[in-house]
Amino acid sequence: NAGVTQTPKFQVLKTGQSMTLQCAQDMNHEYMSWYRQDPGMGLRLIHYSVGAGITDQGEVPNGYNVSRSTTEDFPLRLLSAAPSQTSVYFCASITTGRDYEQYFGPGTRLTVT
Amino acid sequence: AQRVTQPEKLLSVFKGAPVELKCNYSYSGSPELFWYVQYSRQRLQLLLRHISRESIKGFTADLNKGETSFHLKKPFAQEEDSAMYYCALGSGNTGKLIFGQGTTLQVKP
Repeated sequence: NAGVTQTPKFQVLKTGQSMTLQCAQDMNHEYMSWYRQDPGMGLRLIHYSVGAGITDQGEVPNGYNVSRSTTEDFPLRLLSAAPSQTSVYFCASITTGRDYEQYFGPGTRLTVT
Repeated sequence: AQRVTQPEKLLSVFKGAPVELKCNYSYSGSPELFWYVQYSRQRLQLLLRHISRESIKGFTADLNKGETSFHLKKPFAQEEDSAMYYCALGSGNTGKLIFGQGTTLQVKP
């Protein structure tokens, strides 16, 4: 099992450009999340999904869109990149219940100039 | 409001010294608390969760509801423990986690 994969690993964008960060999991988890990691801020939840076709906003959703057409994939779209979106982005796939655990991807380091 | 606070950005200790990484939370209800660790340039991974009351890599954490704390402890630090540690609060069964700001643990030889 590959677990949770993310592409690309690194990306540089110019202000105003759009792009999609890819996230895929092969563990058949219903729940998935996107976080951004910034120094001194910890990880903050952007969007999450509790199953195909169901998404909801997290703490910092502005400027980002998500969709969940399949259980495996949960892409994050930046509509019009801004320097404030420079960050490291982590996707997580989640088991629920007593063995609750979030499995994180390796991250995407995004720089917006 | 649900909140997790890790008051120390950096904790520096010598190898063999005891370690305590502080975590305080704010949550109305029964909290689900976790510690995650991120070694240099690696992905976050679960270290331990309060519900299982286990010890991983010599680390333990006890939930103190009176003090709303979930401090991470290890009696003798090792150099390989150097990493970023995040305390996190689970929000019911939604899959959402609220993270603290993180504490960098630096274990010096």
